[in-house]
Amino acid sequence: DAGVTQSPTHLIKTRGQQVTLRCSPKSGHDTVSWYQQALGQGPQFIFQYYEEEERQRGNFPDRFSGHQFPNYSSELNVNALLLGDSALYLCASSLMRVYEQFFGPGTRLTVL
Amino acid sequence: AQTVTQSQPEMSVQEAETVTLSCTYDTSESNYYLFWYKQPPSRQMILVIRQEAYKQQNATENRFSVNFQKAAKSFSLKISDSQLGDTAMYFCAFMKPFMNYGGSQGNLIFGKGTKLSVKP
Repeated sequence: DAGVTQSPTHLIKTRGQQVTLRCSPKSGHDTVSWYQQALGQGPQFIFQYYEEEERQRGNFPDRFSGHQFPNYSSELNVNALLLGDSALYLCASSLMRVYEQFFGPGTRLTVL
Repeated sequence: AQTVTQSQPEMSVQEAETVTLSCTYDTSESNYYLFWYKQPPSRQMILVIRQEAYKQQNATENRFSVNFQKAAKSFSLKISDSQLGDTAMYFCAFMKPFMNYGGSQGNLIFGKGTKLSVKP
């Protein structure tokens, strides 16, 4: 049983560009949450998707957007990249009514 | 707003000994969940242990146990018989159930982490 997978593993972009990160949830899970982890910090919640809708959102600007597909996989899009967007982006999957999230290995984004 | 504080940025322990990591949190909620996650250098965040606030009994998972003090808003992690593979960042996290949609997943609020080194 595959766990949560994320692609790509690493990504380098320049300021002003746009990026798309992808996440496939653990088999049987229906909810995907995205977190940003800056170097030396704990993860911060970006948003959560369930039934292809954004259900909750953290304190992130509209440059951060997402999508969930019918197969429960998800994308995180970031527009107009800033140097401060450099971080590890973690995807976590879960069942909506089970209070436990399983994390993927993350995508390391570097903005130059 | 809920906050989670881990006051020990770094700790070290000898192999086979016991170590306790501290965590405090601030909330006005009565129903919530607390977690300890481990993040080794490979970056994958792994759930170590979970505690439901309505349960008085402290959670235990093999060598890992918690001391949950609800009134004091304290949630410490004890690792017994420490092993080299326990070397990692440890994050304490809080979740308040999202009460829309009939009660569901909330989002995790993490502390800044404690870097634990187990020495041979």
